[in-house]
Amino acid sequence: QLQLQESGPGLVKPSETLSLTCTVSGDSIRSSGYYWAWIRQPPGKGLEWIGTFYFSGSTYYNPSLESRVTMSVDASKNHFSLKLSSVTAADTAVYYCARSWVLDYWGQGTLVTVSS
Amino acid sequence: DIQMTQSPSSLSASVGDRVTITCQASQDISNYMNWYQQKPGKAPKLLIYDASNLKTGVSSRFSGSGSGTDFTFTISSLQPEDIATYYCQQYDNLLTFGGGTKVEIK
Repeated sequence: QLQLQESGPGLVKPSETLSLTCTVSGDSIRSSGYYWAWIRQPPGKGLEWIGTFYFSGSTYYNPSLESRVTMSVDASKNHFSLKLSSVTAADTAVYYCARSWVLDYWGQGTLVTVSS
Repeated sequence: DIQMTQSPSSLSASVGDRVTITCQASQDISNYMNWYQQKPGKAPKLLIYDASNLKTGVSSRFSGSGSGTDFTFTISSLQPEDIATYYCQQYDNLLTFGGGTKVEIK
């Protein structure tokens, strides 16, 4: 059974870089043939797509966040990562990782609060 | 960018009612449309993919239809466990979500 688990600091200071990792179990990022994604949800608001990548290196970012987002993968650990730079309070959200463009499997989500 | 206009933003219906949610894309997205259910404090769950395909294990009272720019999501007979927020999502050009529809019991 495929499982995804987000991890990372729950509190980030304004202007710093938010860093999260999504660990995948039950499938291989390297050989699965699937794309992998990050999505976020500010408290009480809707879902916002952050970006999607493929193991081979193709990356696709939300144009509104593209200048601040970097996604990477560590196949040896079967996990992928998100970095969001220059964060503000508006980046406070639950961050989810998910599989594919169809988003058929999701992590449970992790709340990241941006505050000094 | 493709914009997704989802309506209504909220609705209240009785148990057993037929519930319909619509989503309109700002341009033709063929059938690259998915629908999700999200309960409070939980991650969204995929219900319908590619406009009309029911994910394995999902109740058959959920259905989807449409293509191009206009799509519909239907709950044939609303049950108490269906109380949630529902989102549409396109993936024809990058990925965009609709604003969500909060479904409540009357």
